[in-house]
Amino acid sequence: QVQLQESGPGLVKPSETLSLTCDVSRYSISISSDYYWGWIRQPPGKGLEWIGNIWQSGTTYYNPSLRSRVTISVDKSKNQFSLTLSSVTAADTALYYCARQEYGGLSLVDAFDIWGQGTMVTVSS
Amino acid sequence: QSVLTQPPSVSGAPGQRVTISCTGNSSNIGAGYDVHWYQQLPGTAPKLLIYGNTNRPSGVPDRFSGSKSGTSASLAITGLQAEDEADYYCQSFDISLSVVFGGGTKLTVL
Repeated sequence: QVQLQESGPGLVKPSETLSLTCDVSRYSISISSDYYWGWIRQPPGKGLEWIGNIWQSGTTYYNPSLRSRVTISVDKSKNQFSLTLSSVTAADTALYYCARQEYGGLSLVDAFDIWGQGTMVTVSS
Repeated sequence: QSVLTQPPSVSGAPGQRVTISCTGNSSNIGAGYDVHWYQQLPGTAPKLLIYGNTNRPSGVPDRFSGSKSGTSASLAITGLQAEDEADYYCQSFDISLSVVFGGGTKLTVL
């Protein structure tokens, strides 16, 4: 069964850059164009917010509200993809999930079928 | 403020039927985009419950069903069980080129 695992620092200082990695196991990112690889976050006690997706080709899609601060990249040799979020504030404190989204022919319309367990990131000095 | 509107909470007794609504507009659900539903048990990651408005992934009990009409969608749970107590989220696509989620609904089994 495909598994996703997030990793990265649990504490980031305000104004600095948050960096997370998602390792994909039991599935090769480079083989199939049937899926997007995405990041979703959940502030404590709140709902889900989509951050962005990347395709195995490197094409990216970002939440318009975060676009100016977000970069998602893929490293096919390591079978992983990464998130960087710059100029963080306390509002970026959240549980960050990586997830796989199906691609059925239209961009971004399908479901996220596999999720990582999530990694908590706190923004504080 | 979420793009898709869900009731903050619903409740029901064991064995009863409950529904959770997800209301959007002409830029998302009303534009014809599919709605998907997730179940998030306490302390765990969301799990796909319904995809493409009405479809259940393998392993999801048929007590869970989804529907969509106009600018809204609904998740129905029949034969409510204690293990169904969780947060439920809807998801769709908005023409602003964004994946959008509902604010989530907490289901309490009385």
